[in-house]
Amino acid sequence: GQQVMQIPQYQHVQEGEDFTTYCNSSTTLSNIQWYKQRPGGHPVFLIQLVKSGEVKKQKRLTFQFGEAKKNSSLHITATQTTDVGTYFCAGDTGRRALTFGSGTRLQVQP
Amino acid sequence: DTEVTQTPKHLVMGMTNKKSLKCEQHMGHRAMYWYKQKAKKPPELMFVYSYEKLSINESVPSRFSPECPNSSLLNLHLHALQPEDSALYLCASSQATGRLNTEAFFGQGTRLTVV
Repeated sequence: GQQVMQIPQYQHVQEGEDFTTYCNSSTTLSNIQWYKQRPGGHPVFLIQLVKSGEVKKQKRLTFQFGEAKKNSSLHITATQTTDVGTYFCAGDTGRRALTFGSGTRLQVQP
Repeated sequence: DTEVTQTPKHLVMGMTNKKSLKCEQHMGHRAMYWYKQKAKKPPELMFVYSYEKLSINESVPSRFSPECPNSSLLNLHLHALQPEDSALYLCASSQATGRLNTEAFFGQGTRLTVV
């Protein structure tokens, strides 16, 4: 079945350092979404990427969608303690439902 | 109103009990979802309703029975669950399930413990 993997599984950074998580799908995705889940919370939508090679920025967050539409990345510049949580990519292979990636848990040391 | 409301927030049930989880949204979304999430794992899709019809069942055991009484409500009926079914159950909604999925809004979840 379709698999969406993310690396790393876990990252611990000092506040102010950068952070990147990578998402790879075994199949081509029609679009990709990113979600953030704080500890004890629920997933909250961050962004959707649709076009091959698309890059979007939200303040300190930069999202990319690969040319082949099989991979994506999220980069956070100068992390803050408020960035703590698990970041999930979620892809749609055309089944009209999202499959979540394995997630990357980010811990930020003040 | 951009909220998805789930009740109850916590539920402890015995293996012989019957209970229901409820989910409500008033955003006019026509797609609603149930996900199951175990600790330190991603949400796992269980069911998708599109325009009040079940469109995806991810081979979920029959002890979980979804119901969509109208476009705003989604229920998950539970019967004869096993301890391994203990998890966070998340409801979500989105505008539709077209080729370009729109963002999903998640409820706070029901933390279920089966004893």
